[in-house]
Amino acid sequence: NAGVTQTPKFRILKIGQSMTLQCAQDMNHNYMYWYRQDPGMGLKLIYYSVGAGITDKGEVPNGYNVSRSTTEDFPLRLELAAPSQTSVYFCASSYSRGLGGSNEKLFFGSGTQLSVL
Amino acid sequence: GQSLEQPSEVTAVEGAIVQINCTYQTSGFYGLSWYQQHDGGAPTFLSYNALDGLEETGRFSSFLSRSDSYGYLLLQELQMKDSASYFCADADQGGKLIFGQGTELSVKP
Repeated sequence: NAGVTQTPKFRILKIGQSMTLQCAQDMNHNYMYWYRQDPGMGLKLIYYSVGAGITDKGEVPNGYNVSRSTTEDFPLRLELAAPSQTSVYFCASSYSRGLGGSNEKLFFGSGTQLSVL
Repeated sequence: GQSLEQPSEVTAVEGAIVQINCTYQTSGFYGLSWYQQHDGGAPTFLSYNALDGLEETGRFSSFLSRSDSYGYLLLQELQMKDSASYFCADADQGGKLIFGQGTELSVKP
């Protein structure tokens, strides 16, 4: 049972470089999320998707882009990396919202530690 | 919009009971979730409340009052391994799931 798989685990970027953080889930979940977490802080929602072909902005979308062409994959694109994007990035998925119980449970990937220097 | 408030730190002793509060302001509120995160790890799901009242899962319980826009996580028989950060999170009807800033729980011997 792979669950939510994020790659890479660590990455160092130079200012102005671009990269894509990969996220894949094998649980046939409809909802997928990207969060960033700065040291000692909470999780901030970057983008989310309620199904293939549908994405929406979260709390801190500037500097990022996403796509959801399949149910399984939800890549996060950083264009023109900046030091302010140094953070730990978590991808997560859940079956649904509003049905209650275990359907609400968010499954997280192990995270990507990104440094922009 | 959505916003959640929770205390930044709580300290308790092993074997005790601790309560972590969360107040929220959310239009189209769906339910309140709780997550645990140990240093360097991914958050893990603890509980979810959609209706008023108490949900119990082993040593952990979670409570919700929709009329007060308030919930709490209750941890009983505290163990050293419970030292972690605890987050409340809420979802709106559009599926957006927002987390609070987190409460760092320190359990002392």
